[in-house]
Amino acid sequence: SQTIHQWPATLVQPVGSPLSLECTVEGTSNPNLYWYRQAAGRGLQLLFYSVGIGQISSEVPQNLSASRPQDRQFILSSKKLLLSDSGFYLCAWKGTGDSGANVLTFGAGSRLTVL
Amino acid sequence: AQSVTQLDSQVPVFEEAPVELRCNYSSSVSVYLFWYVQYPNQGLQLLLKYLSGSTLVKGINGFEAEFNKSQTSFHLRKPSVHISDTAEYFCAVSERGTGGFKTIFGAGTRLFVKA
Repeated sequence: SQTIHQWPATLVQPVGSPLSLECTVEGTSNPNLYWYRQAAGRGLQLLFYSVGIGQISSEVPQNLSASRPQDRQFILSSKKLLLSDSGFYLCAWKGTGDSGANVLTFGAGSRLTVL
Repeated sequence: AQSVTQLDSQVPVFEEAPVELRCNYSSSVSVYLFWYVQYPNQGLQLLLKYLSGSTLVKGINGFEAEFNKSQTSFHLRKPSVHISDTAEYFCAVSERGTGGFKTIFGAGTRLFVKA
């Protein structure tokens, strides 16, 4: 069966420090991968998505970047965190195939607090 | 460009009462529609999805939703809620983007079931 892992689960970082959140998927190959941010009272905002290694689509210009160094690994990074980067970050994957009908499966999330 | 509007940010309701959570979407092409549920400090889980065919879709935990193309709506309903239904509910639309299919979420509706 497929599983998705995110870490760390909780992170407290000072303003200006770097960030690396990691997401890995097991039990599937060539998944579509997504990073969402959930800020308090604002729902889920799509940040990045990837259909393959090295292929990243950015939805919102911001202080963050994403990379996909391996088929089942998706990393969210920042060189210098801002207060506004605080939030709950969710990684998700979707099955292969040219279909939007595939359901997103989410990880448990990473809660980032920038102080 | 697609967007999803959830008309109520919070819905308080008494146990065993019926509930409707409203969702409207805009899209220039055919879409797939979803409802997800999020329990505190967890990722999202799929409740139900509309792909095609019957406009009334049944999901888990006794929830159902009706797709109305003319009104571009996909409202979620349950005839009798339980305390355990207290959670945040997200309506979502999946549509083809430049780099593959992407799913856009509404801002969420917090359902609070009171005894």
